[in-house]
Amino acid sequence: KNEVEQSPQNLTAQEGEFITINCSYSVGISALHWLQQHPGGGIVSLFMLSSGKKKHGRLIATINIQEKHSSLHITASHPRDSAVYICAVRSGNTGNQFYFGTGTSLTVIP
Amino acid sequence: SQTIHQWPATLVQPVGSPLSLECTVEGTSNPNLYWYRQAAGRGLQLLFYSVGIGQISSEVPQNLSASRPQDRQFILSSKKLLLSDSGFYLCAWNRVFTETQYFGPGTRLLVL
Repeated sequence: KNEVEQSPQNLTAQEGEFITINCSYSVGISALHWLQQHPGGGIVSLFMLSSGKKKHGRLIATINIQEKHSSLHITASHPRDSAVYICAVRSGNTGNQFYFGTGTSLTVIP
Repeated sequence: SQTIHQWPATLVQPVGSPLSLECTVEGTSNPNLYWYRQAAGRGLQLLFYSVGIGQISSEVPQNLSASRPQDRQFILSSKKLLLSDSGFYLCAWNRVFTETQYFGPGTRLLVL
């Protein structure tokens, strides 16, 4: 079993739809990251969370530390949101151990 | 502003050949540096990280090594490539004591 599980693996949505991507993890963490990987491979860091909720434009990320769960929401989705979204956690133990989900591939259709 | 460079962008190498991928960061000092690999159809895997010149930590045993000869230069190497080394290699950096990482454009490596 992977330390980080994402769902769904693939998601197709109509432009304008509200989208939710989920991430569950099984290790103690010091931080959780949401990353966006574009078709060309480039990766952009969207959010870093250790508690609560963050919002940036149409993107919202939440984390529930007790339930070991995070969600990434996209409001009013747009075709340019099409990408792979990756959840990553930094272990709360000493060291620099990162665990990554396998990603959610999102396609937004005009 | 800070920028991160990786080269080459794409590389096709025969099995058994050596490898050298380079990553450089501009516009910051003493960054933490990371090498990740993303194999086809799989998630990201942290390979190495460095908190300073000459300081390298390896997360997984493998056929690869890393070096940091200068503050803003991080090199990924192999003496003899394996087929399983194929993948997308990403370099990243972050400021000390901060979490947000900034990724380079990546290098696609195909070992034949």
